[in-house]
Amino acid sequence: DAKTTQPPSMDCAEGRAANLPCNHSTISGNEYVYWYRQIHSQGPQYIIHGLKNNETNEMASLIITEDRKSSTLILPHATLRDTAVYYCIVRVLNNAGNNRKLIWGLGTSLAVNP
Amino acid sequence: DGGITQSPKYLFRKEGQNVTLSCEQNLNHDAMYWYRQDPGQGLRLIYYSQIVNDFQKGDIAEGYSVSREKKESFPLTVTSAQKNPTAFYLCASTKGASGTTGELFFGEGSRLTVL
Repeated sequence: DAKTTQPPSMDCAEGRAANLPCNHSTISGNEYVYWYRQIHSQGPQYIIHGLKNNETNEMASLIITEDRKSSTLILPHATLRDTAVYYCIVRVLNNAGNNRKLIWGLGTSLAVNP
Repeated sequence: DGGITQSPKYLFRKEGQNVTLSCEQNLNHDAMYWYRQDPGQGLRLIYYSQIVNDFQKGDIAEGYSVSREKKESFPLTVTSAQKNPTAFYLCASTKGASGTTGELFFGEGSRLTVL
């Protein structure tokens, strides 16, 4: 089962910031939060990841709460090409304890409107 | 340009036939993965390989087989034993062999429809 909870859909106006929330209340201290997005019928694309501190790259910013139970992905100036499904994922140890894997949920379908 | 190439993009097969999906990468990545995506479900891991000539079962390996004879290639065979093979199949790779990185690079996917 996914360790994250996201709203199923969101809307955003073109040019405005898109703030996508994610709850991961059962996250462990050494588990990273990853964000990917998937444009319809294409392979997912890595966006950003973090552990405790806020992170920023050319695509987005990731804000993680101090208790690490939730995070927000921010797309500062959304464009129509940002319309996609956004996945918030926790990277966990596999059952054997010798590798890590990503647990994918259903994501948030973001629609950027003109 | 470097990337991951999956083929074919669309594939139709009759029930009971084995099919092989191709995945090639020129990123010089060590680890490669196969995922399955169904409507209303998250991506599920089928198989992964961290080095040549070695691979491990993922969460839903039954009815599938893989090989890793070359670093660049990780083909997936969907056998007739797979009960519900119609799905969108995604191949991915990561740089490190340890699998500790979560930065996966994905191909464009192969959509398999079994009639």
